[in-house]
Amino acid sequence: QVQLVESGGGLVKPGGSLRVFCAASGFTVSDYYMSWIRQAPGKGLEWVSYISSSGSTRYYADSVKGRFTISRDNAKNSLYLQMNSLRAEDTAVYFCARVGADFGAFDIWGQGTMVTVSS
Amino acid sequence: EIVLTQSPDFQSVTPKAKVTITCRASQSIGSSLHWYQQRPDQSPKLLIKYASQSISGVPSRFSGSGSGTDFTLTINSLEAEDAATYYCHQSSSLPETFGQGTKVEIK
Repeated sequence: QVQLVESGGGLVKPGGSLRVFCAASGFTVSDYYMSWIRQAPGKGLEWVSYISSSGSTRYYADSVKGRFTISRDNAKNSLYLQMNSLRAEDTAVYFCARVGADFGAFDIWGQGTMVTVSS
Repeated sequence: EIVLTQSPDFQSVTPKAKVTITCRASQSIGSSLHWYQQRPDQSPKLLIKYASQSISGVPSRFSGSGSGTDFTLTINSLEAEDAATYYCHQSSSLPETFGQGTKVEIK
């Protein structure tokens, strides 16, 4: 069964760091572009970052550039998002998603992990 | 950044009615427009890709159309399980962006 399962969310103080994880099953993450998308409480969806299938290309939204790093562990078939210098406005549910084979839509989504930045 | 504007923001509809949601892009994006359904407390689910391409497992009452800057998601014969928020998403250029969402309520 093709599935993505996120973990690692929690409560962190402003300026702190957190790493969220996404474990894939039923497919190989290194065969696809993968992405992180977030949703603040009661708000819409915001694309955060993606990594190419080779891992050589990474893109970030301006709102997280220089603070967040996307990475992948092929051996563990997992995706990661390292978040540093966290701000209150980073509070959101973080979803990992697979980019479809035709490089367009996000065809598989995880259930999300909640990150709360608060003192 | 390409801005996607959905209308309406909210729609209350009786079962079996037809629902039309529009998504307008601030510049031409060809057919690189996708639609998602997000039920309460669930993750988004892909409904339509590349403006009009159907997705395996998605009921045939969902269809999409449009190109360039104007796109439409149509739900024929609305069912109770279709109560959700619907989002459009463009993959034409970075940063990829989403519409603000359209909440569909069943009367």
